[in-house]
Order: sequence, then structure tokens, then C-alpha cells
Amino acid sequence: EAGVAQSPRYKIIEKRQSVAFWCNPISGHATLYWYQQILGQGPKLLIQFQNNGVVDDSQLPKDRFSAERLKGVDSTLKIQPAKLEDSAVYLCASSFGQGITGELFFGEGSRLTVL
Amino acid sequence: AQRVTQPEKLLSVFKGAPVELKCNYSYSGSPELFWYVQYSRQRLQLLLRHISRESIKGFTADLNKGETSFHLKKPFAQEEDSAMYYCAPHNAGNNRKLIWGLGTSLAVNP
Repeated sequence: EAGVAQSPRYKIIEKRQSVAFWCNPISGHATLYWYQQILGQGPKLLIQFQNNGVVDDSQLPKDRFSAERLKGVDSTLKIQPAKLEDSAVYLCASSFGQGITGELFFGEGSRLTVL
Repeated sequence: AQRVTQPEKLLSVFKGAPVELKCNYSYSGSPELFWYVQYSRQRLQLLLRHISRESIKGFTADLNKGETSFHLKKPFAQEEDSAMYYCAPHNAGNNRKLIWGLGTSLAVNP
């Protein structure tokens, strides 16, 4: 079965520019997660969707970050305007239920460098 | 507050030596615990979960509720075990989510 797909794999932008990342979860997975992983740290949950509804976005910096999952399938994460500290790998993951088994399936990540 | 601690950022062992990656958690309720692994140039993936009591790639992890620990162990390390390992308690409450440790980088030297 196809895994979680993410694009682009790499993106370099200057501060104050905007960027968007796309994720297509495993078919049939209701729950989708966006994580931010800064070098040397563990993944930090930005937002969790259950179908097209937001379950948790408590750690999403809403003044600059936004995410949507309009049809309950693929999702986009946008940063506008970007700051230097946003340089990180953005991981998308999906799970079958609401993470009941705890097993998340991850994409390869999108590496963002903000100059 | 719910917290997970992986005290070693880097662990280096020789091939064939025993290895133990430490994980301590501070959690209310009854968490489920997981170890995730990321090999070089591969995706982050589930290694094992405590409720399964399974051994995966020779690794085991025992939940010690008294010490609130979930250390990952392998009796004889192999070079292919070199990777980044994350301990992640999973809150079994209404808002289920994983809380991630900072990770331990395991280097197995020949």
C-alpha cells in the first residue's frame, strides 16, 4: 500500500516569505497530523485532524501558521510570513482511527530552511 | 504535566554489546508507551509498543510502573541498529496523542 506522501521534500525561502506543504495520507486513515521537528528535538504536534475537523491545534502558532483538510483526505500546511525559527522538518502522519493503537504512519517530511 | 525524558542524547556501543536506551515518563492515568525509530534516510516508524509485549528486531521494552520507566533493550547490538530512537507515551484519555521525547541517537560501531 502507498505510504504517506508529502511535498515538496525541500524548500528554501527568505524570512517573511510564505510557504505551503502538502500531505496525502494513507487511504482510509481518518486522522492526520502535522508535526514540526527542529534539529536535535523530538517531533512537536502542530495540528491533528479527525476527518476534516480539528481535534487539537493548541501548539499551532496561529498568527502565522494555518492548516486545512477540506475534504477529509489531503491537507496543506501554510506558513505566512516565515521566521528564521521556522526552519525545521515538517512531518505529516496519519493513523487509521483516532490514534487508538498509537501507530502513526509518517511521510518522509518536508525540510524548510528560512534564510 | 505530562512529560517524557530520554536522558541520553547519544549512545555509542560496539557491535555485539548489550544496549539499553532509557526512557522515563511522568504521566497521569495509564499511558500506553511506544518506541519509534528513524533509520538514516528513512521515515520515522513504530518499533514496538508495550501492550504487545513483543520483541522486534531483538529489541524489548518493559513498562516499569514503579519507576515510571520504559527502557528499550537489546542483548547484542548490530550495526544496522544505528538510528534515532524516540520514546513516546500515548495518552489513553479522550484527547489521544503522543508526547515525544527528544530522542537518543544510537551508534553501533564495528
